[in-house]
Amino acid sequence: NAGVTQTPKFRILKIGQSMTLQCTQDMNHNYMYWYRQDPGMGLKLIYYSVGAGITDKGEVPNGYNVSRSTTEDFPLRLELAAPSQTSVYFCASSPTAYEAFFGQGTRLTVV
Amino acid sequence: DQQVKQNSPSLSVQEGRISILNCDYTNSMFDYFLWYKKYPAEGPTFLISISSIKDKNEDGRFTVFLNKSAKHLSLHIVPSQPGDSAVYFCAASALAGDMRFGAGTRLTVKP
Repeated sequence: NAGVTQTPKFRILKIGQSMTLQCTQDMNHNYMYWYRQDPGMGLKLIYYSVGAGITDKGEVPNGYNVSRSTTEDFPLRLELAAPSQTSVYFCASSPTAYEAFFGQGTRLTVV
Repeated sequence: DQQVKQNSPSLSVQEGRISILNCDYTNSMFDYFLWYKKYPAEGPTFLISISSIKDKNEDGRFTVFLNKSAKHLSLHIVPSQPGDSAVYFCAASALAGDMRFGAGTRLTVKP
C-alpha cells in the first residue's frame, strides 16, 4: 500500500526556473494538501483541495499554483523559483477534513 | 500571524515519566485540534485529535486535553518511552481542509 507518494525526493533549482512537484495518493481520499516546512519552523499550508476540481489557497500561496484534475493527483507548480522557496515540501491526503497522511517530503534548494 | 503556538522548542523527559507538550492558539474559530509526530526525514504522522465539543480524548498512552476558555491544549504521554522521541506538532482547523500547524516541540525521552 503506497499511501502518499511524492516525487522527486530532492531537487536543486536555479533562480528563475520552474518545476512541478508531483503528489499521488492511492487511498481515494477527497482532501489533499501541500505544506512547506522551513528549518526550525512548523508546517505552512500552501494550497489544499477538498475534491477533484476544487482548490483553495492556504497561508502562503504566493509563487505557487496547483491543480486537481483527478482524485489521485495534486501537483504543485513553482513558477520563477526564488531562494525563499528553499524548503521541504510535504503533500498529504485525508479521507475527512482532518487526520492527514503525509508523504515523505521533497527537499528543494533554490540557488 | 502565528495562530497556533508551541512555545517550548524542546522537552527532555526520563523514560517512564510523563511528557506534557503544550499548545496555544489565538483563533477562536478553531473547532478541531490534532497532534502529529514527526521523525527525521519522514513526513508527520497523525497521533490523536479532539473536537471542540470535548475537553479530553484518550488513546492508549496518549491523552489530549482542551481548555477552550484559555485557548490551550496539551498532549500527555504516560509512560514515556525512548521511541517517543520525535518532534510533535500541534495543529488546528476552523475550516475543513485548512489546517494550521505550530512550530513543533522536540521531545527527547532518556533511557
